[in-house]
Amino acid sequence: AQSVTQLDSQVPVFEEAPVELRCNYSSSVSVYLFWYVQYPNQGLQLLLKYLSGSTLVKGINGFEAEFNKSQTSFHLRKPSVHISDTAEYFCAVNDVGQGNLIFGKGTKLSVKP
Amino acid sequence: DAGVIQSPRHEVTEMGQEVTLRCKPISGHNSLFWYRQTMMRGLELLIYFNNNVPIDDSGMPEDRFSAKMPNASFSTLKIQPSEPRDSAVYFCASSSGKGEKLFFGSGTQLSVL
Repeated sequence: AQSVTQLDSQVPVFEEAPVELRCNYSSSVSVYLFWYVQYPNQGLQLLLKYLSGSTLVKGINGFEAEFNKSQTSFHLRKPSVHISDTAEYFCAVNDVGQGNLIFGKGTKLSVKP
Repeated sequence: DAGVIQSPRHEVTEMGQEVTLRCKPISGHNSLFWYRQTMMRGLELLIYFNNNVPIDDSGMPEDRFSAKMPNASFSTLKIQPSEPRDSAVYFCASSSGKGEKLFFGSGTQLSVL
């Protein structure tokens, strides 16, 4: 069965600092991996996804993530954050060939001036 | 396209009452998902449909919960009878296939008193 672990429930950082949000998954088969962002009182929006090919994936708003199969990780990074990046970020996985999408518990990113 | 439309936006009800949440997916999408979000458990997949057929309902908490998708443009999630522990934000999402991004509705904030 698939599962997703986001190790940090909250990450406070200062504006213009780099950030990494960690995500590890478990699955017995090949997977698709996703990062979603949720702003207050809204639904989730896709930041980026990995299906195949290059392990470094670039998404919207300057975010990128790297798929590491040996470590079963898909950490999200941004070299310089803005106040507007304050939100909750969710990592998600689904097995190739399966339609369901399983989410981690989320990491709340708080960017301070 | 108007996106995924959920109604109502907010629902306040008393314990024991029946609650029906509604969702209209994006036209042309063949997969529909119901998620529940709480502080304690994060974002949980309740059930998902593919081509109007329920594929995985293992996340449905108990028999009090039921979901239907009578056609490609409408789905309901019903709770009967409702209990205070059902209080959460319920999200509907749709996608056009495996590996494709999910489009989320704005959610229904359910409060059971």
